[in-house]
Amino acid sequence: NAGVTQTPKFQVLKTGQSMTLQCAQDMNHEYMSWYRQDPGMGLRLIHYSVGAGITDQGEVPNGYNVSRSTTEDFPLRLLSAAPSQTSVYFCASSYTVGNEQYFGPGTRLTVT
Amino acid sequence: KNEVEQSPQNLTAQEGEFITINCSYSVGISALHWLQQHPGGGIVSLFMLSSGKKKHGRLIATINIQEKHSSLHITASHPRDSAVYICAVNRGGTDSWGKLQFGAGTQVVVTP
Repeated sequence: NAGVTQTPKFQVLKTGQSMTLQCAQDMNHEYMSWYRQDPGMGLRLIHYSVGAGITDQGEVPNGYNVSRSTTEDFPLRLLSAAPSQTSVYFCASSYTVGNEQYFGPGTRLTVT
Repeated sequence: KNEVEQSPQNLTAQEGEFITINCSYSVGISALHWLQQHPGGGIVSLFMLSSGKKKHGRLIATINIQEKHSSLHITASHPRDSAVYICAVNRGGTDSWGKLQFGAGTQVVVTP
């Protein structure tokens, strides 16, 4: 099993550009989620999904969109990048809510 | 005020010492997680608890549901235990079900 994979590992965007961060898991997990990690702030939940076709907002959803058309994939879209979205982004999955979390390696995003 | 509080923020120990990290939360939860983040940035799950105590090698995690408190203990600490340790809770309740909320993390440094 590859576990949870994220692409790209690093990305630099200009203000106003859009992009999609990819997340995939091959463990048939129902629950997938996106977090951002900022210095001194800890991890914060952006969006999450409890199954294909079902998504919901987390703590900091503004400026981000998600969809879950398959069990395996959970992409995160930045609609119009802003410097405040400079962060490290982690995707995670678990078999279901409340189970052990498996994290991807992270994507370091810089918006100039 | 963060609903998940960790203490201490930073901890330095000498090799062989016993380490305790504390996590207090003020919300209803369905599960509590202890995570480890190494300097390279990767995050791994150490424990998932809903009651009692779990042990894995030199690591022990306990939770007291009534007092809304959990501890992570590292026995016979080693320099390779140097990392950030993060407490996270799965929120309970119909409005928050599915959401994972994190403490700010505890930076642990173990010196030889």
